[in-house]
Amino acid sequence: AAGVIQSPRHLIKEKRETATLKCYPIPRHDTVYWYQQGPGQDPQFLISFYEKMQSDKGSIPDRFSAQQFSDYHSELNMSSLELGDSALYFCASSLAGRGDNEQFFGPGTRLTVL
Amino acid sequence: AQTVTQSQPEMSVQEAETVTLSCTYDTSESDYYLFWYKQPPSRQMILVIRQEAYKQQNATENRFSVNFQKAAKSFSLKISDSQLGDAAMYFCAYSPGSHSNYQLIWGAGTKLIIKP
Repeated sequence: AAGVIQSPRHLIKEKRETATLKCYPIPRHDTVYWYQQGPGQDPQFLISFYEKMQSDKGSIPDRFSAQQFSDYHSELNMSSLELGDSALYFCASSLAGRGDNEQFFGPGTRLTVL
Repeated sequence: AQTVTQSQPEMSVQEAETVTLSCTYDTSESDYYLFWYKQPPSRQMILVIRQEAYKQQNATENRFSVNFQKAAKSFSLKISDSQLGDAAMYFCAYSPGSHSNYQLIWGAGTKLIIKP
């Protein structure tokens, strides 16, 4: 079965640079979530989209922005990168109509800021 | 606000034995979902088991089962016949049922060590 795809899998950036993370949800899934997980920590919710509209917002810095496109893929844009942005970034997708709130996770993008 | 608490930062168990991981949560909602996710060293987030709050019967998936105590707001995970491949971080997570696309609320995680 098709899973959530994230690219790139690894990314190394310098401070103050920008980064773009991409997420391709499971086909027919209408909701995408972005989470940030620091080393040894639980995932922190950043933002979510339902049917291409922002549906919820968590602890996403103003330096970050995201959107969901017409083909339902999503991109997380990160500017003025800081050392503290080094983390694993997960994308998850779900189908609102399933009724069980199950989120399917991608493999994550490991971002290292030097 | 909803919260999820995992009070065991680390647990260890002998291979082939049984271990129980604890999770408590706080919510004023009556309809919600609870999940256990496993995160092995690869850091892939894998769903282990799911429980709907309106179902009294505890969920079971092969060697994994839960003890869901709704009144006590407790949701523990029991792993039977532990295997080396079970070694991982285990996260308990909550999602309100009234919102079908709400974020997951996570516990801090429990690191499970399997002793050969």
